[in-house]
Amino acid sequence: DVKVTQSSRYLVKRTGEKVFLECVQDMDHENMFWYRQDPGLGLRLIYFSYDVKMKEKGDIPEGYSVSREKKERFSLILESASTNQTSMYLCASSPRGGLGHQPQHFGDGTRLSIL
Amino acid sequence: SQQGEEDPQALSIQEGENATMNCSYKTSINNLQWYRQNSGRGLVHLILIRSNEREKHSGRLRVTLDTSKKSSSLLITASRAADTASYFCATDAGSGGSNYKLTFGKGTLLTVNP
Repeated sequence: DVKVTQSSRYLVKRTGEKVFLECVQDMDHENMFWYRQDPGLGLRLIYFSYDVKMKEKGDIPEGYSVSREKKERFSLILESASTNQTSMYLCASSPRGGLGHQPQHFGDGTRLSIL
Repeated sequence: SQQGEEDPQALSIQEGENATMNCSYKTSINNLQWYRQNSGRGLVHLILIRSNEREKHSGRLRVTLDTSKKSSSLLITASRAADTASYFCATDAGSGGSNYKLTFGKGTLLTVNP
């Protein structure tokens, strides 16, 4: 069965820290995504990657960077954590499809609190 | 910017009743997808309907798509307490946008009371 694993369910960090969120998928998917989910705002795309070492900015990339050195792993980096980055972070992956999109498979999320 | 918007924001029904959720979007699409999210968990894909399809079924789920009105509906028949979750529609950017990006609405919170 399809599996997307996020390294932590809950994480507490301090303002100014560099924070790494890790995501691993076992489906050999080309595409991987990072979203954040906030009450009243829904899911917003931070970054996505369509191949190893390739990345594109989503809707809210400011304050974040990503790394995709291997196909199965996609890391989200908060360069200097701030309290407004407290949120639920969701990782997803999907296979490369034709026109239109294949379903995305999600991990269970990391609830990140920045104090 | 949000492409899909669900309506209503919240829906509360009794077990055994049907639940209908609606999604409206602004620009042309290649397909529309519906997802479910249980509290504190990730999203789970339910169904995908292509722009040239009008209706699709999967078990107790029925999805319709009206591209002329830029709207879709998700019907859950004979609801169960386990259907309690948030439901999201997601749209792609159509022929003019990124081939990879989905845009999610803010979701409908469905509560099914036993």
